[in-house]
Amino acid sequence: AQKVTQAQTEISVVEKEDVTLDCVYETRDTTYYLFWYKQPPSGELVFLIRRNSFDEQNEISGRYSWNFQKSTSSFNFTITASQVVDSAVYFCALSSDAGNMLTFGGGTRLMVKP
Amino acid sequence: EPEVTQTPSHQVTQMGQEVILRCVPISNHLYFYWYRQILGQKVEFLVSFYNNEISEKSEIFDDQFSVERPDGSNFTLKIRSTKLEDSAMYFCASSWDRDAIPPNYEQYFGPGTRLTVT
Repeated sequence: AQKVTQAQTEISVVEKEDVTLDCVYETRDTTYYLFWYKQPPSGELVFLIRRNSFDEQNEISGRYSWNFQKSTSSFNFTITASQVVDSAVYFCALSSDAGNMLTFGGGTRLMVKP
Repeated sequence: EPEVTQTPSHQVTQMGQEVILRCVPISNHLYFYWYRQILGQKVEFLVSFYNNEISEKSEIFDDQFSVERPDGSNFTLKIRSTKLEDSAMYFCASSWDRDAIPPNYEQYFGPGTRLTVT
């Protein structure tokens, strides 16, 4: 069975601080996919990134970066110089194969204060 | 940019009534999904649909639920006899663009339908 754990339920930072959201996963599959989604207060789920299990390269996209560590089964997400608009719930998710269901973590609510 | 659309945005129904939630996935996508999110909780998978049949379903997706792709564009979720605990946000998603090179497996979500059962 697959499992995704986001131990931080809520994080509060002041604007311009860096913040890291943790994600730890469990799976028996040798090939799998990891995702991050953002859920702003308006409620929609916005895709941020997909990472394949065979690609451990870290990725940077603007102020966002992701650190995939297969050895510790973690896929952490860092926002650099946070902004108020980053306030949202962030979900980490896992899929065993392309097209398969997503297993979501419990989400981390990030509050960025001005 | 193509997007998944869902109607209605909010549905209020009485316990025991049937509801149909509608979704239009992104054209060219091959996989379709329904997820639900009870208020304040995590997103839970209900069912996936591929090649005109269910490919996966969760324990939540019992006999009260059904899905259909009645035409080339719509994808529906029916709840036959709603219960109070069915109150949630229901998200439709689609993935796997058949024309994308390399393949694109991201699941793109619609804005959701908030179902309130009274």
